[in-house]
Amino acid sequence: NAGVTQTPKFQVLKTGQSMTLQCAQDMNHNSMYWYRQDPGMGLRLIYYSASEGTTDKGEVPNGYNVSRLNKREFSLRLESAAPSQTSVYFCASTPGTSGLFSNQPQHFGDGTRLSIL
Amino acid sequence: EDQVTQSPEALRLQEGESSSLNCSYTVSGLRGLFWYRQDPGKGPEFLFTLYSAGEEKEKERLKATLTKKESFLHITAPKPEDSATYLCAVQAPGGYQKVTFGTGTKLQVIP
Repeated sequence: NAGVTQTPKFQVLKTGQSMTLQCAQDMNHNSMYWYRQDPGMGLRLIYYSASEGTTDKGEVPNGYNVSRLNKREFSLRLESAAPSQTSVYFCASTPGTSGLFSNQPQHFGDGTRLSIL
Repeated sequence: EDQVTQSPEALRLQEGESSSLNCSYTVSGLRGLFWYRQDPGKGPEFLFTLYSAGEEKEKERLKATLTKKESFLHITAPKPEDSATYLCAVQAPGGYQKVTFGTGTKLQVIP
């Protein structure tokens, strides 16, 4: 029972490089989320997808793009990485219903640790 | 603006020494308050959801309580394996029912 799987686990990039962080869930959840976690700050929402085929901006979307490839997969892309994007990125999912988070707990992956030099 | 403040930032306990972690919040129309446990190098793991003031939930040595302004995570007779960072999060209604996370309390239980 894998839950939420994120790849890669670690990545080092140079400023200006691009990359895509992958996330897949096997719980048949409708809603998926991307967060970043920085020291001294709470988890901050980058983008979310309430249901397959929809994506919306969260609290800190600048510099990122997302794709909800299908119900299972939700990817996060950095087009031109900047040192300020050095962080730990978490993907999460909830059963959800279309357009709503609902008041259900989120299931998290183990994160991607991204360093940008 | 929704705010979540957790205290203390760090807590060191002897094995068996009970204590409480605090999560104070300001949010209009609380839809739910969540407690998570996060181990180093791992993602947050769900512990409890509380929906209304007066509600309590228990799991092994942990008990979560909720008032209109704060939540407590009580740890009774902790063991070293309870060492982790404990995160609190609140959910409010809104365009996408935004979830706001606190910065966590890092708990260390010494044998």
